[in-house]
Formats: sequence, structure tokens, C-alpha cells
Amino acid sequence: DAGVTQSPTHLIKTRGQQVTLRCSPKSGHDTVSWYQQALGQGPQFIFQYYEEEERQRGNFPDRFSGHQFPNYSSELNVNALLLGDSALYLCASSLWGGNEQFFGPGTRLTVL
Amino acid sequence: AQSVTQPDIHITVSEGASLELRCNYSYGATPYLFWYVQSPGQGLQLLLKYFSGDTLVQGIKGFEAEFKRSQSSFNLRKPSVHWSDAAEYFCAVGPNSGGYQKVTFGTGTKLQVIP
Repeated sequence: DAGVTQSPTHLIKTRGQQVTLRCSPKSGHDTVSWYQQALGQGPQFIFQYYEEEERQRGNFPDRFSGHQFPNYSSELNVNALLLGDSALYLCASSLWGGNEQFFGPGTRLTVL
Repeated sequence: AQSVTQPDIHITVSEGASLELRCNYSYGATPYLFWYVQSPGQGLQLLLKYFSGDTLVQGIKGFEAEFKRSQSSFNLRKPSVHWSDAAEYFCAVGPNSGGYQKVTFGTGTKLQVIP
């Protein structure tokens, strides 16, 4: 049983570009959350998707958007990249109404 | 608003010594509490969690944590540290309610283990 998978592993972009990160949840899970972890910091909640809708959002600008597909996989899109967007982006999956999230290995985004 | 404080940024212990990592939280009701471990360049692995019931929680790799409501604390302990425990540890708090699962993390404590 595969756990949470994320792609790509690493990504390098330049300022102003757009990026899409992907996440496949653990088998049987229907809810996906995204977190940003800057260097030396704890993960910060970006948003959560369930039934293809954004259910909850952290304190992130509209440049950060997402999508969830019928198979529960999810994408995180970031537009107009800034240097400060460089971070490890973590995806976590869970059951809606559950109380435990399983994290993927993350995507390391570097913005030059 | 929920928040987590991990007062120790960096801790160094000798292999075989005991360990305690501190965590204080702020939350309006009874929270869900978690400890995660992260090795360099890796994702987060759940060590243990507290939802309700017994306030002393056992986790993986020999770790345990105690929920103290009066002190708003959830400190992580291990009686004898192994070199492989060197990593960064994050305490986290989440809502004790169905559905919405916004989890707030502390800034982490980096553990160094010396021979």
C-alpha cells in the first residue's frame, strides 16, 4: 500500500514563473492538505481540499491555489513566484472527519 | 487561534542519556496534539498523538509524551537516546472536531546526539 506520494522531488524556477506541484493521497484517504515549510521553520498550513473543494485556508495570498481531482489527488499551483516561496512543500492526506494526517516526502522548490 | 511554542531550538544529548523536548500549546478547547520527527531532507513521520483518555501516550521508537492540561504542555520524552534519534522534532496542535484539520506546528527542536 503506497503512502502519500509527491512529484516532482525537486524543482528550480525563476521569479515570476508559475509552478504546479502534485500529490497522490494514501489509499483510502479523501482529504488533502498542503503545507509550506521554509528553511529552519515548522510547516505552515496553506489549504485543505475535500470533495474537490477548498475547505479551509491558511494565511497565504491568492497566488497560491489548488485543485482536487475525482480520484482525490491534488495539485498546488503558485503564480508569480517570489524568492520567498522557496521552501519544502508538504502534502498530507487523511480521512475527512479523521484525526490523523499522513505526510508525503515533500517537493523542494527553489526560486532563483 | 491555536499556537505551539517549542522553547528549545537546539538540544544536544549524549547517546544513552534521557531526553525531554518541551512543547506548550494554546487552544480554546481540548486539542489534538502530535509529535512528528523529520530527518534532513525528509517528510514528517508521526511519533505519537493525543486525542483523549490516558494523558501518558506511548509512541514509536520508544518515545512517550504526557499531556498536562493545567500547564498546556505536551512534552516528549525518551529514557535512552540512540544516535539514530538525531533529527528535528515538531510539536503540533489540531482542532478536536470532525473534518477541518488545520494543524499548527511549532518551530521545531533540532536534536544532536553525541557519542
